[in-house]
Amino acid sequence: KAGVTQTPRYLIKTRGQQVTLSCSPISGHRSVSWYQQTPGQGLQFLFEYFSETQRNKGNFPGRFSGRQFSNSRSEMNVSTLELGDSALYLCASSKQGTGELFFGEGSRLTVL
Amino acid sequence: KNEVEQSPQNLTAQEGEFITINCSYSVGISALHWLQQHPGGGIVSLFMLSSGKKKHGRLIATINIQEKHSSLHITASHPRDSAVYICAVRSAAGGTSYGKLTFGQGTILTVHP
Repeated sequence: KAGVTQTPRYLIKTRGQQVTLSCSPISGHRSVSWYQQTPGQGLQFLFEYFSETQRNKGNFPGRFSGRQFSNSRSEMNVSTLELGDSALYLCASSKQGTGELFFGEGSRLTVL
Repeated sequence: KNEVEQSPQNLTAQEGEFITINCSYSVGISALHWLQQHPGGGIVSLFMLSSGKKKHGRLIATINIQEKHSSLHITASHPRDSAVYICAVRSAAGGTSYGKLTFGQGTILTVHP
């Protein structure tokens, strides 16, 4: 059974640009959540989607947005990138909202 | 004060030792997760608890809902257990179980042979 797939794995952007990251959950999992991990702040919750609906949102500015498609794949977008957005972005899927989390390998974003 | 506090932040052990990592939280929760992250690697879910105790191999996780405290124990530790262990709680929001996940700062475990 394929795991959670995140693309791209690595990317470099410059300040002011925007970025879109993709997450394909495990087959049959309808919940996808996104997290930001930085050395200073650790892991922080971004948002969670279930059946194309955003169910929860963390304390991030509106530059961070996401969506989920009918096949449960999810994307997150960060607009007007700042240096502080450099981080590892992880997504996780689960069968239900409170089920066991299965994490992808992450997308490492560097903003120059 | 953070909503989720882990202790210790760093832990060094000799192979074979019994290890305990603690997690205290201040909010009502619907579930608590213990996660493992190896250097440069992804995150693996070890346990999800809402009450009592769970065991998987040499790993044991316990939770005391009244005291808002959970522990992760590793028996007969091995160098391959060296990793960062992260506690995460899902808040009980609005009578549903779809609260936000809040993470502890992680415990860096190093096990020497």
